[in-house]
Formats: sequence, structure tokens, C-alpha cells
Amino acid sequence: NAGVTQTPKFRVLKTGQSMTLLCAQDMNHEYMYWYRQDPGMGLRLIHYSVGEGTTAKGEVPDGYNVSRLKKQNFLLGLESAAPSQTSVYFCASSGEMNTEAFFGQGTRLTVV
Amino acid sequence: GENVEQHPSTLSVQEGDSAVIKCTYSDSASNYFPWYKQELGKGPQLIIDIRSNVGEKKDQRIAVTLNKTAKHFSLHITETQPEDSAVYFCAALNSGGYQKVTFGTGTKLQVIP
Repeated sequence: NAGVTQTPKFRVLKTGQSMTLLCAQDMNHEYMYWYRQDPGMGLRLIHYSVGEGTTAKGEVPDGYNVSRLKKQNFLLGLESAAPSQTSVYFCASSGEMNTEAFFGQGTRLTVV
Repeated sequence: GENVEQHPSTLSVQEGDSAVIKCTYSDSASNYFPWYKQELGKGPQLIIDIRSNVGEKKDQRIAVTLNKTAKHFSLHITETQPEDSAVYFCAALNSGGYQKVTFGTGTKLQVIP
């Protein structure tokens, strides 16, 4: 019963460094999403995927890239980290468009 | 685009009392309204949801009501317990699914023993 697993849980980056966040789901879901959560702003969609090999921009995509090479994995990349990308990042998946989304436990990223 | 407002931002209640969190939305095309509970250090977890063809839904101590005309929906928690302490988020989706979801800004509920 792993559900949605995010790696890593915590990370500190220096400005300009790059990193990749990994999301894995074992529910055979078609839809996967990356959100960022900032104080007082709820959850905002960064990028999403409607199936293996597909990706699309969400509400706040600038500075991020994603890939969905395998159905169960959705990667979020930061090519050149900026302090404004300090946030908690959540991955989620859903089996259908308007049903429950299952969230991972989050990745707390600090860019200094 | 959709705009979801959530109130209050913080709420403190005595154990055993009821808690009510309210959300309003702007897009009349929204037709699915989930509520998520987020405990400290964890990801949000669905606790109840309602679709636009239903006015009320209950699950034990939790209920959600929807007023499509007024474009608002509310979460009601009765007989609150300390383990209900968490941040609660409402959301509104239309036929675009979670690609078009808009989340509220969250309500931090504290249940005082």
C-alpha cells in the first residue's frame, strides 16, 4: 500500500544548482501532477501529465521541467534553482479526472 | 478562471463542539468539490467530496453542503476530537479535472482538549 512516494523528503540547494524530484505511484493511475504549497496560497499546479509520455503546463510552470517516461513515474526538474522556488512540493495522482487525487508526503526544498 | 475563497483561515474549538469551514467559488461550470485534510508533515488526504447534482453528503461526523445558486459549499465537523486538528483545504473542479483544479488557501483547525 505504498500509494504515492516522493524522493527526497528534504533538500537544501544553493542558487543556480539543479535537482530532480522523483514521484512514483503504484496505483496504475493515468493522471499525475506536481504542486507547490506556499504559506497562505494553497496548492498551485506546476505541471501535469495525462498519461505516459505526455506533459503539460499548469498554473506556475516557469523554472521547472517534467518528464513522464514511465506510467508510474513523474519527475520534476529544476535546472537552475532560485530562492523563489523554496517551497513544499507535492506530487499527486488520480485514476480519473474528477475523482480523488492521492498525494505524496511532500518534499521540503530550500534554496539559499 | 476559477477563484475559490476559504474562511476562516484559523479556527479554534473546544473538544466536542462543531466546526464549520466555508468556501465560495466563482465558476458556475465547477461540478466537483473535494475536501482535503492535511496533517503536519504529510500530504493532503481526501476526507469527503460532493458533486454538483447533490446538496448534502454525510460520512459519520463529517458533512458537506453545496449551494449551487449561491456558489458556496461548507464542511461541517461535529463532536470534534483532538485528532481532527489539521489544515483543511477545499477545492473546485470542472470537467477539466485536476488539470483545472483550484484549491482554497486552507483553514488551520485546532481542537482544544
